[in-house]
Amino acid sequence: KAGVTQTPRYLIKTRGQQVTLSCSPISGHRSVSWYQQTPGQGLQFLFEYFSETQRNKGNFPGRFSGRQFSNSRSEMNVSTLELGDSALYLCASSLGQTDTQYFGPGTRLTVL
Amino acid sequence: DQQVKQNSPSLSVQEGRISILNCDYTNSMFDYFLWYKKYPAEGPTFLISISSIKDKNEDGRFTVFLNKSAKHLSLHIVPSQPGDSAVYFCAASAPSNTGKLIFGQGTTLQVKP
Repeated sequence: KAGVTQTPRYLIKTRGQQVTLSCSPISGHRSVSWYQQTPGQGLQFLFEYFSETQRNKGNFPGRFSGRQFSNSRSEMNVSTLELGDSALYLCASSLGQTDTQYFGPGTRLTVL
Repeated sequence: DQQVKQNSPSLSVQEGRISILNCDYTNSMFDYFLWYKKYPAEGPTFLISISSIKDKNEDGRFTVFLNKSAKHLSLHIVPSQPGDSAVYFCAASAPSNTGKLIFGQGTTLQVKP
């Protein structure tokens, strides 16, 4: 079975721009969670989607949003980028909402 | 408020010896705990998990122990191999917070040949 895939792997943007990251879960997995990893804050939960609905949300500003499609693929969007948004963005998929999460390789976002 | 803590930023062990990585938590609602291994610029790789109804779970060279009264869990790797060198994260989840893992800050393990 193919693992979780994320595209693109690397992105460079400038302040004020917006960005969309994509995540394809493991086949059959219906829950997708997103995390941000930075050196200072570690791995922080952004949000979780299940059956195309956001079921849980972390403490991030409204500039961070996401969605899930009927095939369970998910996207996250960050608008009005700030320098502090530079991070590794990870998505994880699981069969159901309380099952083990398997992570993708991440998207490295650099904001200049 | 850090609910999951890994107090040792780094650990160095000799190949063939046991590696013990520790993790403490504060939230008594956590009922599922996981360990992940991570290399730089890659996503975390799931290693092993344990439910709060158990106190031990084994998978090959990896064993996780859970002490609920002390709110403490540990990961034992026996025997340690150089390929085990990576950052190890413990994570926890609560039934009321679906899809959300709370991570510790990680422990960098170095296994010396």
